[in-house]
Amino acid sequence: GAVVSQHPSRVICKSGTSVKIECRSLDFQATTMFWYRQFPKQSLMLMATSNEGSKATYEQGVEKDKFLINHASLTLSTLTVTSAHPEDSSFYICSARAATKGANQPQHFGDGTRLSIL
Amino acid sequence: DAKTTQPPSMDCAEGRAANLPCNHSTISGNEYVYWYRQIHSQGPQYIIHGLKNNETNEMASLIITEDRKSSTLILPHATLRDTAVYYCIVRPNYGGATNKLIFGTGTLLAVQP
Repeated sequence: GAVVSQHPSRVICKSGTSVKIECRSLDFQATTMFWYRQFPKQSLMLMATSNEGSKATYEQGVEKDKFLINHASLTLSTLTVTSAHPEDSSFYICSARAATKGANQPQHFGDGTRLSIL
Repeated sequence: DAKTTQPPSMDCAEGRAANLPCNHSTISGNEYVYWYRQIHSQGPQYIIHGLKNNETNEMASLIITEDRKSSTLILPHATLRDTAVYYCIVRPNYGGATNKLIFGTGTLLAVQP
């Protein structure tokens, strides 16, 4: 149980393109989903927290107009990297936490999306 | 900022127990200790979490000291597939803005054949 699916797993596109990444909780409902970014040889950095039906909360230094997050249902959140540039190339990872049984439920992670901007 | 301290790397012989330490001396009474691992180029995998009692599941055991200022993750019989970066994270057990996982640098566990 507790499977999080992320799509696509890899994207290569030209500079200036907008890229959408999907994150789905397959066997549970998630009121809260999280988006992280990881650069090579670094740890995961939290970008934003996404709550179903409301606006995402962004971490300090993360541009909300650059990284658009939508959490339209209890099983789907999307991250759109708008007008992507080479410096946006990174490993983007989502995670989800089950809606039930309290806030100490573990977060479960997708397998990440490797984004390469040429 | 991460609220935990872990050694940057450790080695372990295949088949032996791997004991990964974590210091969290500023942990609050309502914060849980979570352990995740990340195998190269994959998303983090949940391992185990606990509040103050020792916990065991099919993957590992978590030993938390009585004062809760440190913990140890134990992989009883390490295999080559356990080579990964292991993250120890503290997180409050209530909802709200602080209920999120903040990753530190973790411990790179290298299981040697």
